[in-house]
Amino acid sequence: ETGVTQSPTHLIKTRGQQVTLRCSSQSGHNTVSWYQQALGQGPQFIFQYYREEENGRGNFPPRFSGLQFPNYSSELNVNALELDDSALYLCASSTRLAGGPTDTQYFGPGTRLTVL
Amino acid sequence: AQTVTQSQPEMSVQEAETVTLSCTYDTSESDYYLFWYKQPPSRQMILVIRQEAYKQQNATENRFSVNFQKAAKSFSLKISDSQLGDAAMYFCAYRSAGTGNQFYFGTGTSLTVIP
Repeated sequence: ETGVTQSPTHLIKTRGQQVTLRCSSQSGHNTVSWYQQALGQGPQFIFQYYREEENGRGNFPPRFSGLQFPNYSSELNVNALELDDSALYLCASSTRLAGGPTDTQYFGPGTRLTVL
Repeated sequence: AQTVTQSQPEMSVQEAETVTLSCTYDTSESDYYLFWYKQPPSRQMILVIRQEAYKQQNATENRFSVNFQKAAKSFSLKISDSQLGDAAMYFCAYRSAGTGNQFYFGTGTSLTVIP
């Protein structure tokens, strides 16, 4: 166990709806990254939050957005859900020193999102 | 963007034997980090081993070791004395040592351990 938790475990939504996924980072970690893992694929980087601000973003549209809270927990919000958004969403926490790169990431168990 | 390639979608190994999983990557950077992560059927991704590119010595963690060939941009994982609990998806990942925050993952290798 990594100490990173995610909720909910599973979620079923319909096309066009909005969804919020949550992540609690490991104690002592100040950075949270979100990944989308489609079936049979490796994780794809969505974005990273550090000090409550987005700090790096992958090739995902603006309808993917997030938040980080003062306790370093984070949310991933997806608007206008599409069928292709069906995937496992992974959260990873890590420590990042001021101005420095992200250290080793520790992953949560993921949220399985199904869009019908 | 950096790319990570795992050319073996599936591998199998007899229990107690040794298996090597392959990974190659493409980058123009000289300093970076490489990782192997394991994702069991329970799906929580677990760090197996980490290698800094500036270190010539190959990383080792108990039964897991890597063969890091920087010039060839190759980073293979060797699992010795394979155990049933080693069965999982294994992902190779790359991260820049600079200010880049993104991890790039390969498509994974599914390892089966045969009793």
